[in-house]
Amino acid sequence: AQSVAQPEDQVNVAEGNPLTVKCTYSVSGNPYLFWYVQYPNRGLQFLLKYITGDNLVKGSYGFEAEFNKSQTSFHLKKPSALVSDSALYFCAVRGREGGNMLTFGGGTRLMVKP
Amino acid sequence: NAGVTQTPKFRVLKTGQSMTLLCAQDMNHEYMYWYRQDPGMGLRLIHYSVGEGTTAKGEVPDGYNVSRLKKQNFLLGLESAAPSQTSVYFCASSYGGVMNTEAFFGQGTRLTVV
Repeated sequence: AQSVAQPEDQVNVAEGNPLTVKCTYSVSGNPYLFWYVQYPNRGLQFLLKYITGDNLVKGSYGFEAEFNKSQTSFHLKKPSALVSDSALYFCAVRGREGGNMLTFGGGTRLMVKP
Repeated sequence: NAGVTQTPKFRVLKTGQSMTLLCAQDMNHEYMYWYRQDPGMGLRLIHYSVGEGTTAKGEVPDGYNVSRLKKQNFLLGLESAAPSQTSVYFCASSYGGVMNTEAFFGQGTRLTVV
């Protein structure tokens, strides 16, 4: 079965510093990978996706993610964090074995401090 | 720009009561999903639908039923609520048949079963 792991429950970073939120996945065949963000009392919002091609994917709000096939990872990054980036981040994967099912990781809370 | 709308936003049920959560989307999406979100567990798929009149089980279907009588609506039913069903429920929709498309989420329904 396909699965996603987000090894960190929380990531703390100072404003202006680079941030990384980690994600690893397990799926048969080529993966379709997604990052979503959730602000308090809101639904999930799409940030970016990897389908094929360039391993570095750019998304909304200055976020980017790097796909690494050999390490089965899809880490979310941003060069300079903002306090407003503080939220809950979810990595998700779709694979052929799961049909069109989207499987989510447990989420990582990002705290950006001034 | 309604997108995905969930009704109600909050509900408190007594054990054994029944209720139906309504999800409506105006994007003509084929696929619709119901997830539940619990602390530290990410989002888990309850049921999903790949088109009008069709439904399928997800990861945690027990205790829930769904119906998709109209393409734009996806209903989630709890026949006999239990405290273990206390959670935040999210509906999502996406274009069907293409695994590289992102899902769009509703604002969530916070359900408490006492």
